Amino acid sequence: GENVEQHPSTLSVQEGDSAVIKCTYSDSASNYFPWYKQELGKRPQLIIDIRSNVGEKKDQRIAVTLNKTAKHFSLHITETQPEDSAVYFCAATSGGGADGLTFGKGTHLIIQP
Amino acid sequence: EAGVTQSPTHLIKTRGQQATLRCSPISGHTSVYWYQQALGLGLQFLLWYDEGEERNRGNFPPRFSGRQFPNYSSELNVNALELEDSALYLCASSLGTYRDGEKLFFGSGTQLSVL
Repeated sequence: GENVEQHPSTLSVQEGDSAVIKCTYSDSASNYFPWYKQELGKRPQLIIDIRSNVGEKKDQRIAVTLNKTAKHFSLHITETQPEDSAVYFCAATSGGGADGLTFGKGTHLIIQP
Repeated sequence: EAGVTQSPTHLIKTRGQQATLRCSPISGHTSVYWYQQALGLGLQFLLWYDEGEERNRGNFPPRFSGRQFPNYSSELNVNALELEDSALYLCASSLGTYRDGEKLFFGSGTQLSVL
């Protein structure tokens, strides 16, 4: 089945700086890569996703890049703000999605004022 | 439009007991997924229901089971509870299945504590 590795587990950045979270996946057939944000005590919420036929996608301060050859994808947050503090999870489908979305173990992003 | 709703919010049980968790998907969504979120382990895929049938299950023992009702709501049952079953159980729904690239929407979860 799919295996998703996520790094770093904790990331602390100064407010206004950029943050980058990286994930690798094992199944070359994976074709859908969402990112979820989970604030303390709240539900995970989809913030951006990318499909395997696209290399990059942007939504305001958030962008995701995908390198299919290397089997890795990254989340980029620019001009970080205090409300960006949360746990971020990457995920990938295994071939055909039959095994369910496989999630990384999460990155705790801390925005220092 | 109401989101995915789960009940109860918190559930306290003792070892060996059974727990039943409930989930109502977003109106119009036919697929329901269950995930276990234990501390430090991320989200582990448990079960996937679509159109009333179990489509797939993750690497969990058979004492984790569930069903999906005709109105697409779902129930997760955990029998013979063990201490390590203590976790946040998240339900999610989608219009179709994410093999088709449909987005997943999560509920707020049920925090199960096994004493």
